[in-house]
Amino acid sequence: KAGVTQTPRYLIKTRGQQVTLSCSPISGHRSVSWYQQTPGQGLQFLFEYFSETQRNKGNFPGRFSGRQFSNSRSEMNVSTLELGDSALYLCASSSLASNEQFFGPGTRLTVL
Amino acid sequence: GQQLNQSPQSMFIQEGEDVSMNCTSSSIFNTWLWYKQDPGEGPVLLIALYKAGELTSNGRLTAQFGITRKDSFLNISASIPSDVGIYFCAGQFKTSYDKVIFGPGTSLSVIP
Repeated sequence: KAGVTQTPRYLIKTRGQQVTLSCSPISGHRSVSWYQQTPGQGLQFLFEYFSETQRNKGNFPGRFSGRQFSNSRSEMNVSTLELGDSALYLCASSSLASNEQFFGPGTRLTVL
Repeated sequence: GQQLNQSPQSMFIQEGEDVSMNCTSSSIFNTWLWYKQDPGEGPVLLIALYKAGELTSNGRLTAQFGITRKDSFLNISASIPSDVGIYFCAGQFKTSYDKVIFGPGTSLSVIP
């Protein structure tokens, strides 16, 4: 089985712009979770989608949003980018049968 | 909110030494997961634990689900240079509907 894929791997944006990141889960996995990782902050949970519905949400401002499509692929969007949004954005997928999350390689976002 | 504590925060050890790290919580978890993250990559699942008292091995790695359900331990025997990375513990409460909570990580450095 192919693993979790994320595109793009690297992205450079400027303040005020918006960005969309994509995640394709492992085939058969219907849950996709997004995390922000910055040095010293660990993995901060953004949100989780299951069957096209947001099931859990972390403590991030409304500039961070996401969605999931019928094929379980997910996108997250960040609007009005700030310097502090520079981070590694990770998505993870899991199946109904297991709590184990499998991570993609991440998208490294740099905001200038 | 729910929080996990990991100790130590960082470790510097000689190649060949054994390593122990732990994860504690003020809340009870039903699942404990241990991940390793290499620089610039997503975390990789090492071991999953589902039952209090469970001891599970994966090669040189051994993890235990604490009896109180509030802690977990990871041991690495005979460390090698490729063990370098950040080790995260993660806990999940009751069902697959509950989000996974990640610890802040333990950074491991192995001196050849």
